[in-house]
Amino acid sequence: SQQGEEDPQALSIQEGENATMNCSYKTSINNLQWYRQNSGRGLVHLILIRSNEREKHSGRLRVTLDTSKKSSSLLITASRAADTASYFCATDTGTYKYIFGTGTRLKVLA
Amino acid sequence: KAGVTQTPRYLIKTRGQQVTLSCSPISGHRSVSWYQQTPGQGLQFLFEYFSETQRNKGNFPGRFSGRQFSNSRSEMNVSTLELGDSALYLCASTLPGLAGGYEQFFGPGTRLTVL
Repeated sequence: SQQGEEDPQALSIQEGENATMNCSYKTSINNLQWYRQNSGRGLVHLILIRSNEREKHSGRLRVTLDTSKKSSSLLITASRAADTASYFCATDTGTYKYIFGTGTRLKVLA
Repeated sequence: KAGVTQTPRYLIKTRGQQVTLSCSPISGHRSVSWYQQTPGQGLQFLFEYFSETQRNKGNFPGRFSGRQFSNSRSEMNVSTLELGDSALYLCASTLPGLAGGYEQFFGPGTRLTVL
């Protein structure tokens, strides 16, 4: 089974609102990464958080990591229509293998 | 720098045939990973190569194979195609020699349809 499970599966918000999506995983990790995918195309890396970090920011993105709960969250503030995409978490366990979550489909309504 | 390129972008095959997909990583990247993406199973790891060596592989049947060349370009092959092999196949490259900790750069994918 997949390492990461994401919640919610789908999210629809108005432009300007914040979007929060969560990722849970099963085993110890070296780091966790978030990716965005637009409509069945290639994935784009958003942010990486290492296992010894608890929070990281990049522009309108804020990622938290709780290794005790084996979970991470991605917050997108002041969302825009262009943020409409699927978002995936990916965990790196240090074995040259990234395990992706099931993804959250975000729709931002203008 | 040019990004990760994958060829072909679209492919239609029939059951029983075989297919070869190609991936050229970003210049200087020596690690290449392959993923299969389907609506039902999501993104599934296929295998990872570094310096022509497979370092890890996912839970796929032996019909799925890959290789990496000395210039870091990689190919994956699927033999005896089945309908369930219809998917988007994604290739990603990373900085050399490191067991994770760096972002993966993805290509646009090859959309394989098996009829």
